[in-house]
Amino acid sequence: EDQVTQSPEALRLQEGESSSLNCSYTVSGLRGLFWYRQDPGKGPEFLFTLYSAGEEKEKERLKATLTKKESFLHITAPKPEDSATYLCAVQPNSNSGYALNFGKGTSLLVTP
Amino acid sequence: NAGVTQTPKFQVLKTGQSMTLQCAQDMNHEYMSWYRQDPGMGLRLIHYSVGAGITDQGEVPNGYNVSRSTTEDFPLRLLSAAPSQTSVYFCASSLGSLSGGYTFGSGTRLTVV
Repeated sequence: EDQVTQSPEALRLQEGESSSLNCSYTVSGLRGLFWYRQDPGKGPEFLFTLYSAGEEKEKERLKATLTKKESFLHITAPKPEDSATYLCAVQPNSNSGYALNFGKGTSLLVTP
Repeated sequence: NAGVTQTPKFQVLKTGQSMTLQCAQDMNHEYMSWYRQDPGMGLRLIHYSVGAGITDQGEVPNGYNVSRSTTEDFPLRLLSAAPSQTSVYFCASSLGSLSGGYTFGSGTRLTVV
């Protein structure tokens, strides 16, 4: 059974304090791994897609990396506006509908 | 370009009532899906569609129906609402290309009393 586990559940950082969020997964063949950001009361907002082990993607203070078993979302020198819930999702090769299996998310709070 | 539009934003139903959650996208996306989000459970797939006239069940389809008569619209029908269907519902669409992921609507917060 496909599984996506995110850790930690919640993370509190001071502004400028870099850290990483983890997404470990088990899937019978990976078509893609996705990172989303979700603000309170809003729908998830797409950040990155990673396809294969060793791949990295960057956007502003965020960098996503992928291995065969997990993905990391590195946040460098975060700002309060980076506070949100970060969701990881996988799309198995066997999935004909392009549906995503989501983790439960990491709630990030960045304080000034 | 509105993206994915969901209506209503909030709804309160009584047990046993039926209703339709509306979802429309203007990006000519073939793939559309409905998710529900519950505290501690993450997003779970209800139904999805790979194109007009084609739908299939996701992880938690019981109590919900969908149809896809046009590329733009993908309504979700609750047949007889139950308190267990209290949740936030998100509609999402995709071109089918992985690079852009899914575009999500802003959600419908449903309470069944």
